Amino acid sequence: DAGVIQSPRHEVTEMGQEVTLRCKPISGHNSLFWYRQTMMRGLELLIYFNNNVPIDDSGMPEDRFSAKMPNASFSTLKIQPSEPRDSAVYFCASSPGTPQETQYFGPGTRLLVL
Amino acid sequence: DQQVKQNSPSLSVQEGRISILNCDYTNSMFDYFLWYKKYPAEGPTFLISISSIKDKNEDGRFTVFLNKSAKHLSLHIVPSQPGDSAVYFCAARAEKTSYDKVIFGPGTSLSVIP
Repeated sequence: DAGVIQSPRHEVTEMGQEVTLRCKPISGHNSLFWYRQTMMRGLELLIYFNNNVPIDDSGMPEDRFSAKMPNASFSTLKIQPSEPRDSAVYFCASSPGTPQETQYFGPGTRLLVL
Repeated sequence: DQQVKQNSPSLSVQEGRISILNCDYTNSMFDYFLWYKKYPAEGPTFLISISSIKDKNEDGRFTVFLNKSAKHLSLHIVPSQPGDSAVYFCAARAEKTSYDKVIFGPGTSLSVIP
C-alpha cells in the first residue's frame, strides 16, 4: 500500500489567497484526521471524519477553515482567506476503524503564507 | 490548556547511552498512551503504546513506563543509536469513554550523537 498520500508537499501563497490541501487515506480505513503542527502548539487535531462524516471539528481554528470528505478515498482541507499565522505543517492521517486505533500519517504539507 | 505535556523540547544523548523522554498528562480519564516518532519531512509513525492496566511495556530497545498516580510516562531507548534522532510525540486517549480523541503532546526532539 502507498500509505496516506498528501498533496501538495509544499505550498507558498500570499495572504488572502485560497489554499486547498488534499489527502488520500489508506484504502479500507474508515477514519480520517487533519492535524496541524506548529512549534508553539505541537500536533493539534483540527477535524476527524468517520465513514466520510465529520465527527468532531472543534479543533478547526475559525470559519476560514473548512474540510470535506466527499468519498472514502479523498478529503480536502481549505483555508480561505489564508493568513500568515496559518503557516504550519498540515498532516492527514487515517486509521482502520475508530480514532482509537493506531493512526497512519501522511508526509504532510508545509504551508507558508506570506 | 495542554492535556499532554512534554516539558523538554529537546534532548541530546551520546550513542550507546540511554535516552529518557518524559511525558505528563492532566486528564485522569486517559487510559491508553502512545508514542509516535517523526523524522524530518515525514509524518509521525507509531512506535509503542501502553494501557493503563500495565506499568511497563517493552519492545526491543524501547520501553515505556507508566506511573498512573503521578500521571507520568516515560520512553526509554537503550542503547540509543544515531538513527533514533527524531521528534518523539507522546499521545493519550480515553478508551472507555465517548471522548475518543487522541491528544498529542508538543514533542521532544532527540539528537543521538555518534
